[in-house]
Amino acid sequence: EAQVTQNPRYLITVTGKKLTVTCSQNMNHEYMSWYRQDPGLGLRQIYYSMNVEVTDKGDVPEGYKVSRKEKRNFPLILESPSPNQTSLYFCASSDRVADEQFFGPGTRLTVL
Amino acid sequence: KQEVTQIPAALSVPEGENLVLNCSFTDSAIYNLQWFRQDPGKGLTSLLLIQSSQREQTSGRLNASLDKSSGRSTLYIAASQPGDSATYLCAVQRMNTGFQKLVFGTGTRLLVSP
Repeated sequence: EAQVTQNPRYLITVTGKKLTVTCSQNMNHEYMSWYRQDPGLGLRQIYYSMNVEVTDKGDVPEGYKVSRKEKRNFPLILESPSPNQTSLYFCASSDRVADEQFFGPGTRLTVL
Repeated sequence: KQEVTQIPAALSVPEGENLVLNCSFTDSAIYNLQWFRQDPGKGLTSLLLIQSSQREQTSGRLNASLDKSSGRSTLYIAASQPGDSATYLCAVQRMNTGFQKLVFGTGTRLLVSP
């Protein structure tokens, strides 16, 4: 089944404790992105990647890092999480720049 | 800067009604517009994708239209059912950037009562 998977689905952590949210797609897509969703603000792009080893900042990249060492994986790294990063995070992928985007199920992160 | 607005923010209808959700955007230079459905606590499910050269797309009881010149899209849901209850999001993909980015509206929360 074609899908985008994220792990973990739920995470509660404390300020400053490094964490990684994994994202994997099995559709051989070139494009992958991370978004965060906050009430009243909608979804905003954090980082994106156009292919292996090609990544760049989206609208709200502060406090986040990403890597794209393999085509299928695009982990989101929070080196020192803070409470303002409490949010619902989504990973997405698509085959080409103008194609339909497929979203993962989301990761709900709470930073205390 | 591209801004996407969805009206109404919430909508409640009885089962069986036909309904229209609206989406407007400020910059007509877009690759495409995509409609999504989001169930509470769940991810986004793609419903319809309209390329900038297209006027509409249909899937089952759903029909989405696109008028780039006026910066508007509508999602028409025919014969609504309680299972259609969800938040509906529209998103546009900007054209004058070299990368892929969706700009989302804040959604319309739909409740269809039996």
